[in-house]
Amino acid sequence: KAGVTQTPRYLIKTRGQQVTLSCSPISGHRSVSWYQQTPGQGLQFLFEYFSETQRNKGNFPGRFSGRQFSNSRSEMNVSTLELGDSALYLCASSFGTGWTGELFFGEGSRLTVL
Amino acid sequence: GEDVEQSLFLSVREGDSSVINCTYTDSSSTYLYWYKQEPGAGLQLLTYIFSNMDMKQDQRLTVLLNKKDKHLSLRIADTQTGDSAIYFCAERVRDDKIIFGKGTRLHILP
Repeated sequence: KAGVTQTPRYLIKTRGQQVTLSCSPISGHRSVSWYQQTPGQGLQFLFEYFSETQRNKGNFPGRFSGRQFSNSRSEMNVSTLELGDSALYLCASSFGTGWTGELFFGEGSRLTVL
Repeated sequence: GEDVEQSLFLSVREGDSSVINCTYTDSSSTYLYWYKQEPGAGLQLLTYIFSNMDMKQDQRLTVLLNKKDKHLSLRIADTQTGDSAIYFCAERVRDDKIIFGKGTRLHILP
């Protein structure tokens, strides 16, 4: 079955702009989590959506937001981009309940902010 | 609090064993995980251990858990060049949130 798909794979933005990233989970998975990966901070948890509701949230400013649709696809948005937002944004899907916790990751969207 | 710590780099000779260590702070962790990330790819689950176990073996991989010290280790026997990657330790905490360490980059020496 198809894996987790993230689009776009690469994008370049300038400071002050906003960006929307998309994630299509594995069929049947109801949970989507987002992580930010940078060389200095490693993998940091942004938020998790389960059945269209935000279930968990990390310690990121309000400029970072997300949503999940009824088909479990998810989007995350970053407004008023800053240079420090340059990172690999990883999406992971899972069943979200009654499971061992294994996350299935996409290949990521690499955002460069100039 | 929720924090996972691991060393950033490890160099090992091909054929030797690699041991990657991790410490975590949340005593309510139910599962602990090791993920592998190869260049240009997302993370992939290697193995996991339930918090009431102290050891799990899966082919070349051995996971040891010391719950008292909140210490987790991953041993890779007979390390090969294909094992070169970043290894992430992770814990599942309350509300099913999964927290990752910063990753250990494993470098294989010929």
